[in-house]
Amino acid sequence: EAQVTQNPRYLITVTGKKLTVTCSQNMNHEYMSWYRQDPGLGLRQIYYSMNVEVTDKGDVPEGYKVSRKEKRNFPLILESPSPNQTSLYFCASSLESPSEDEQYFGPGTRLTVT
Amino acid sequence: QQQVKQSPQSLIVQKGGISIINCAYENTAFDYFPWYQQFPGKGPALLIAIRPDVSEKKEGRFTISFNKSAKQFSLHIMDSQPGDSATYFCAASRTDSWGKLQFGAGTQVVVTP
Repeated sequence: EAQVTQNPRYLITVTGKKLTVTCSQNMNHEYMSWYRQDPGLGLRQIYYSMNVEVTDKGDVPEGYKVSRKEKRNFPLILESPSPNQTSLYFCASSLESPSEDEQYFGPGTRLTVT
Repeated sequence: QQQVKQSPQSLIVQKGGISIINCAYENTAFDYFPWYQQFPGKGPALLIAIRPDVSEKKEGRFTISFNKSAKQFSLHIMDSQPGDSATYFCAASRTDSWGKLQFGAGTQVVVTP
């Protein structure tokens, strides 16, 4: 089944404790992206990747890191999480850019930082 | 600052009625306008999209109307069904910006039986 998977689905952590949210797609997509969803703000792009080893900042990259060492995986790293990073996170992928091709979203990761 | 303004925030409509969600944008360089549908506990999914060379696009009960001069576009859900209850997001992007989508804040639609 073609899908985008994220792990974990739920995470409660404490301020400053490094964490990684994994994202994997099995559709051989070139483009991958991370978004955060907050009430009243919609979805905001954190980082995106056009291909392996090619990444760029989205609209809200502060406090996040990404890497794209393999085509299928695009992990999101929070080196020192803070409470303002409490949010619902989505990974997404598409064959080409989202304005050229349908973007498929993962099921989301709900992160709480205390 | 949100580049795409979406209204209303929430909407309750009776089964069989019409749901209308509006979005406005400022950046005239935007040339791709998708709508995403999100059910509780799920990720968003592309519903329908339009480019500025047409004023309307229809797929089943869902229609996008686009007004380039007013910089507005809207989603109409005809004959609304309880299964349409979801959050709807409009978005906009420039094709030459690596598809960086700017999303609206979302509209929660509830269709009552």
